[in-house]
Amino acid sequence: GAVVSQHPSWVICKSGTSVKIECRSLDFQATTMFWYRQFPKQSLMLMATSNEGSKATYEQGVEKDKFLINHASLTLSTLTVTSAHPEDSSFYICSARDPAGAGSTDTQYFGPGTRLTVL
Amino acid sequence: QKEVEQNSGPLSVPEGAIASLNCTYSDRGSQSFFWYRQYSGKSPELIMFIYSNGDKEDGRFTAQLNKASQYVSLLIRDSQPSDSATYLCAVPKTNAGKSTFGDGTTLTVKP
Repeated sequence: GAVVSQHPSWVICKSGTSVKIECRSLDFQATTMFWYRQFPKQSLMLMATSNEGSKATYEQGVEKDKFLINHASLTLSTLTVTSAHPEDSSFYICSARDPAGAGSTDTQYFGPGTRLTVL
Repeated sequence: QKEVEQNSGPLSVPEGAIASLNCTYSDRGSQSFFWYRQYSGKSPELIMFIYSNGDKEDGRFTAQLNKASQYVSLLIRDSQPSDSATYLCAVPKTNAGKSTFGDGTTLTVKP
């Protein structure tokens, strides 16, 4: 149980284009999902908290107009990187909390990640 | 002071040895604590969580929690080369819904 998927697993795009990444909880309903970014050999960095049916909460320094987050259903959150530039190239990972899970409700289950390369 | 601190490592142990990974946290109100493993190029995966003082065992893994000292550790017994990864300590922020992750400790188990 508690499986999270992401699509696509990798994407290459041209500078200036927009890229959408999907995060789905496959076997549970996730009212809260999180989006992280990780550069090579660096720490996991939380970008935003995505709450179903409401606006996302962005971490300090993350541009909300550049990284658009939509959490329209209990099983799907999307991150759109708008007008992507080479410095946006990174590993984007989502996670989801299972509020009805057998374990701690604070447990985060991670998706496999999306590797974005902007040329 | 960081909210969650881990020894950056790298930590190297021989195969079959016990690997000890440490984590300290600053929020005395924290109630639960998580350990994740992240292989190079992959996303984190949950190993275990603990919320009571003392030890919690799951197979070769043992989490130890001491709330008075604000310290949580992960012991890996009979370490295997496949345990080579970065281990992340995570502490949920009180009343915030999100968690603070440590920077991780990189473990290498040498055959």
